[in-house]
Amino acid sequence: GQQVMQIPQYQHVQEGEDFTTYCNSSTTLSNIQWYKQRPGGHPVFLIQLVKSGEVKKQKRLTFQFGEAKKNSSLHITATQTTDVGTYFCAGHWGNTPLVFGKGTRLSVIA
Amino acid sequence: NAGVMQNPRHLVRRRGQEARLRCSPMKGHSHVYWYRQLPEEGLKFMVYLQKENIIDESGMPKERFSAEFPKEGPSILRIQQVVRGDSAAYFCASSPTAYEQYFGPGTRLTVT
Repeated sequence: GQQVMQIPQYQHVQEGEDFTTYCNSSTTLSNIQWYKQRPGGHPVFLIQLVKSGEVKKQKRLTFQFGEAKKNSSLHITATQTTDVGTYFCAGHWGNTPLVFGKGTRLSVIA
Repeated sequence: NAGVMQNPRHLVRRRGQEARLRCSPMKGHSHVYWYRQLPEEGLKFMVYLQKENIIDESGMPKERFSAEFPKEGPSILRIQQVVRGDSAAYFCASSPTAYEQYFGPGTRLTVT
């Protein structure tokens, strides 16, 4: 079945450093979504990207969708301790159910 | 607007018992999804429902698991004759559009 590969699996950064997580599909996606899950919490929707080459920003977070709609990235500038959690990408191919990557767990050292 | 509600938040069952997990979607949301999450893993899609209809159950195990979303009341995920391997967090999500999904707090099921 369809899947999205997400790397890295873990990332430890010092507070103030930048962080990037990448998501890849072997086939063209219809759209991609990003979610954040705090430890012990539930996934929270961050954003959806639909268009080829799309870039969206939310404060310190920048989301990109590749030109071929096969990859996406989430970049956080100047991480803070509140950014701690696991970031998941999730993709749709046509009308398929949303398929989640395994996530990137971010630790921020103060 | 209250968020997605799930109950119970924690459920302990002995092997062979039944587990019933409930989900009340956000007001105005007609799309409901159930996911299962094992520790340190992503979310695995189980089933997608709209009122009184199962739209996609391709992620649901063929035996022991069933889901419904009746005209009135919450969506229910039912697991019969639970086994230790069913221990996981079960999340429900709802959506107004079948795109972005809003997750409930989850039910942590422990099978002893």
